[in-house]
Amino acid sequence: KAGVTQTPRYLIKTRGQQVTLSCSPISGHRSVSWYQQTPGQGLQFLFEYFSETQRNKGNFPGRFSGRQFSNSRSEMNVSTLELGDSALYLCASSRAGAAYEQYFGPGTRLTVT
Amino acid sequence: KQEVTQIPAALSVPEGENLVLNCSFTDSAIYNLQWFRQDPGKGLTSLLLIQSSQREQTSGRLNASLDKSSGRSTLYIAASQPGDSATYLCAVKGDQTGANNLFFGTGTRLTVIP
Repeated sequence: KAGVTQTPRYLIKTRGQQVTLSCSPISGHRSVSWYQQTPGQGLQFLFEYFSETQRNKGNFPGRFSGRQFSNSRSEMNVSTLELGDSALYLCASSRAGAAYEQYFGPGTRLTVT
Repeated sequence: KQEVTQIPAALSVPEGENLVLNCSFTDSAIYNLQWFRQDPGKGLTSLLLIQSSQREQTSGRLNASLDKSSGRSTLYIAASQPGDSATYLCAVKGDQTGANNLFFGTGTRLTVIP
């Protein structure tokens, strides 16, 4: 069974631009969560999507948004990029239900210059 | 707000040694706890998942325990190998309905010396 895939793996953007990251969950998984990982703040929860609806949201500004498609694939968008948005963005998928473990993708390394 | 702490931040051991990594959390109202490993620049690999009703889980040389009431979990690695070198992260999931997000610790960076 294929794991969680994320594209692109690496991105370099300039301040003020916007970026879209993509995540394809494991087949059959309907929940997709996004996390930001930085050396200073560690891993922080961005948001979770389930059945095309945002179910939960972390404490990030509105520049960070996401969506989920009917095939459970998800995208996250960051507008008006800032230097502090440079991070590893990880997505995780799980089966429906809180009891199930989460499986992470390899991440997208975003560098903002 | 849930806070997760991992001690030590870094650990260096000779190959073959048994070791214990510690994780503590402030809010005992958790649904489950998951241990991950992360290699440099890579994603997270799930190692073990312990439900809140369980006391421990084992997988090969790994054993994780959970004491929910005291807010603690330990990951025991037996007979460590150089390939175990990585950062180990614990994460807890709260028990609120509809909340599937994980709260992560800052990790323990393990180096196993051949």
